[in-house]
Amino acid sequence: KQEVTQIPAALSVPEGENLVLNCSFTDSAIYNLQWFRQDPGKGLTSLLLIQSSQREQTSGRLNASLDKSSGRSTLYIAASQPGDSATYLCAVKGSQGNLIFGKGTKLSVKP
Amino acid sequence: GAGVSQSPSNKVTEKGKDVELRCDPISGHTALYWYRQSLGQGLEFLIYFQGNSAPDKSGLPSDRFSAERTGGSVSTLTIQRTQQEDSAVYLCASSLDLGAYYGYTFGSGTRLTVV
Repeated sequence: KQEVTQIPAALSVPEGENLVLNCSFTDSAIYNLQWFRQDPGKGLTSLLLIQSSQREQTSGRLNASLDKSSGRSTLYIAASQPGDSATYLCAVKGSQGNLIFGKGTKLSVKP
Repeated sequence: GAGVSQSPSNKVTEKGKDVELRCDPISGHTALYWYRQSLGQGLEFLIYFQGNSAPDKSGLPSDRFSAERTGGSVSTLTIQRTQQEDSAVYLCASSLDLGAYYGYTFGSGTRLTVV
């Protein structure tokens, strides 16, 4: 059974810092991995989608990497801003077709 | 539509009543998923549809929960005889297809409170 773990559970950084969020999964037989952002009381916003054949994806200040063989992904946020404060969720898509989510990392960026 | 639409956005119901939650996926998306997010918990998979059929119903918490999708579009999640532990945010997502290359788009969710 696939399990997804995100470390740390919470992170607080001053504005301007670069930071890394970690995601690990137990079954490397995934189709893709997706990073989402969730603001309090809101739904999920897709940030980056990495196919199993890819190593990384970039969007603006965000860069996500995938090492399928070791069951790891990282989300790198450059020059963090207070508006980046949210919960970041990692999810993997397996052969059953559904996404399995981690519990998320709650990020707080202090001005 | 432009995005995944869920209604109602908030629902307060008395214990024991039945509720229906609605999801309208992005036009043309054949795959539709329901998740539940309880306070302080991660997202719990409930059920997914490919077209009108639901190959995997194993995530439904009990037989009080059912879901259907008609016309390959709108889906309803029905909870019968609601209990307080059913209180959660119910999220719907759609994807162009079940295939590997497609990501998910989520709706804003329905916040269900059972009193």
